[in-house]
Amino acid sequence: QLQLQESGSGLVKSAETLSLTCTVSGVSMRDNSYYWGWIRQSPGKGLEWIGSIYYSGSTYYNPSLKSRVTISVDTSKNHFSLNLNSVTAADTAVYFCARQIERSGWSPVACFDSWGQGTLVTVSS
Amino acid sequence: EIVLTQSPGTLSLSPGERATLSCRASQSVSSNYLAWYQQKPGQAPRLLIYGASSRATGIPDRFSGSGSGTDFTLTIGRLEPEDFALYYCQHYGNSLFTFGPGTKVEIK
Repeated sequence: QLQLQESGSGLVKSAETLSLTCTVSGVSMRDNSYYWGWIRQSPGKGLEWIGSIYYSGSTYYNPSLKSRVTISVDTSKNHFSLNLNSVTAADTAVYFCARQIERSGWSPVACFDSWGQGTLVTVSS
Repeated sequence: EIVLTQSPGTLSLSPGERATLSCRASQSVSSNYLAWYQQKPGQAPRLLIYGASSRATGIPDRFSGSGSGTDFTLTIGRLEPEDFALYYCQHYGNSLFTFGPGTKVEIK
């Protein structure tokens, strides 16, 4: 059974780097049917997609965050990570990791079918 | 960037009633890339519908999705107590995922 679990610092100082890891269990990230994504949720902005990564390391990011985001993968540990630098109070949010499906049968799709429980990250001044 | 608008903001209904939630895109989008999620307080979103009308694994058949172009609908046939929650639509296009602001379905 697929499970995703976020971990990392829940408190980050302004201007520093937010770092989170999502550990995947129950399935190998090398399964080439899936991308893996980060999404965040704050009261002011609702749900916001941050970026996604394939097991090969191929990434794509939300243009609004692209200059500050790096997502990486370690298939030997079956986890992927998020780094967001130069954080401000606006980056305070619950951060979710999720599995992204690209195909259903022969049809292309794009959505997130399994999610971690989420982790609250607060940016302090 | 495509903007998703959801209406109403809040829907007040009684158990057993039918719920109709709307998601409107700022321009025509592919139905393949339109999804719906349910979120309860303190929980992660749960995928309900993908490809505008396909139910995700384990989702009861009282949930149905429809629509095309710019207008999409999530219908809950008969509300069960566990269905009172927040609902979001989501679109993918031009290498960007966007979410709507959500509709809250509350007990009347």
